Amino acid sequence: EPEVTQTPSHQVTQMGQEVILRCVPISNHLYFYWYRQILGQKVEFLVSFYNNEISEKSEIFDDQFSVERPDGSNFTLKIRSTKLEDSAMYFCASSAGTYSPDYTFGSGTRLTVV
Amino acid sequence: AQSVAQPEDQVNVAEGNPLTVKCTYSVSGNPYLFWYVQYPNRGLQFLLKYITGDNLVKGSYGFEAEFNKSQTSFHLKKPSALVSDSALYFCAVRDDTGGFKTIFGAGTRLFVKA
Repeated sequence: EPEVTQTPSHQVTQMGQEVILRCVPISNHLYFYWYRQILGQKVEFLVSFYNNEISEKSEIFDDQFSVERPDGSNFTLKIRSTKLEDSAMYFCASSAGTYSPDYTFGSGTRLTVV
Repeated sequence: AQSVAQPEDQVNVAEGNPLTVKCTYSVSGNPYLFWYVQYPNRGLQFLLKYITGDNLVKGSYGFEAEFNKSQTSFHLKKPSALVSDSALYFCAVRDDTGGFKTIFGAGTRLFVKA
């Protein structure tokens, strides 16, 4: 069964450092998403991406965050200057289309900011 | 604006007994409704969805959910719980107006006792 792959599974970084979280969505999917989950709590929408641009973003997704699809397969989330409160599980997801709304989620990257 | 409520933080049930995990929602248009399950230190796994059609939808691992438009509910059910069903369950909603964002509930932790 096709999978969404995320790397690394766990990243520890110092406050103020830049991090890039990587995702390989399912190959024929067109819509890509990032969500985050703080300590097993609520899953929060960050951003959606379609046709090489952000289609929607939440208030969490401020200027510190950016997304990119640098090639035909990867989808990345960059946090420019990490804060302690950025510590969370970050999930990438992809879907075939906006009217095929069930996502396939990756297994997540646990980001720890120290 | 879309919202999802899972009124119970935790549900306890004995193995072999039926289980219900509650979810209510609010959307502008017609809802797309989902249930996801999360096992410890794992990603989000899709269980089932309601898009249109029959109000009773069947999903993975013997789970089912009933869409009730008048009560704006989408409760998750299983006739006979297993210890291995113990996990965190998330209800999620998206409307059909073409937006990209799926909103998740806060999650309900299910404990099934042997």
